[in-house]
Amino acid sequence: AQSVSQHNHHVILSEAASLELGCNYSYGGTVNLFWYVQYPGQHLQLLLKYFSGDPLVKGIKGFEAEFIKSKFSFNLRKPSVQWSDTAEYFCAVNDGGGGADGLTFGKGTHLIIQP
Amino acid sequence: EAEVAQSPRYKITEKSQAVAFWCDPISGHATLYWYRQILGQGPELLVQFQDESVVDDSQLPKDRFSAERLKGVDSTLKIQPAELGDSAMYLCASSPGLVSDTQYFGPGTRLTVL
Repeated sequence: AQSVSQHNHHVILSEAASLELGCNYSYGGTVNLFWYVQYPGQHLQLLLKYFSGDPLVKGIKGFEAEFIKSKFSFNLRKPSVQWSDTAEYFCAVNDGGGGADGLTFGKGTHLIIQP
Repeated sequence: EAEVAQSPRYKITEKSQAVAFWCDPISGHATLYWYRQILGQGPELLVQFQDESVVDDSQLPKDRFSAERLKGVDSTLKIQPAELGDSAMYLCASSPGLVSDTQYFGPGTRLTVL
């Protein structure tokens, strides 16, 4: 079975600060990795995803994440956050082998950006 | 931009009553998922459909939950009877159905069981 661990439940930063949200997963096979974001009052939406290839992936709104296979990690980064980045962030994985590919989510990180 | 539709957006029911949620995926999406999100947690998969067939329902509490997607388009998730612990957000997602596709989420149905 897969599991995902997000290290911080709540993070508070000032505008222009750098961001790194930790994500570790547990699974022995091939995985696909995702970061989803939920802005206040909105649906879950995809920030970025990793399936294969370059382990450094770039997503929307200046976010990026790096897949480090040896550490089972997929940390999310942004060099300079904005007030509009205030949201709930979820790391997720699924089986990259095809077939049943429901997502396994972490518990989420609530990010608050102070102006 | 096409979206996943869900209804109702909010549902309040009493313990032991039956409730049903409806989901209409993005047009053409072959794969449909139901997730449950308890407050303060990440979503958890309940069931996955490929067209009208169930691919994975290993986490669906089958004594009280049922899901169907009869024509391979829209889907209904039912709880009978509802229990206090079922209070949660029920999310529907769809994907085109190719291997390792992005899942697109709907707005969810917030269920409160009294």
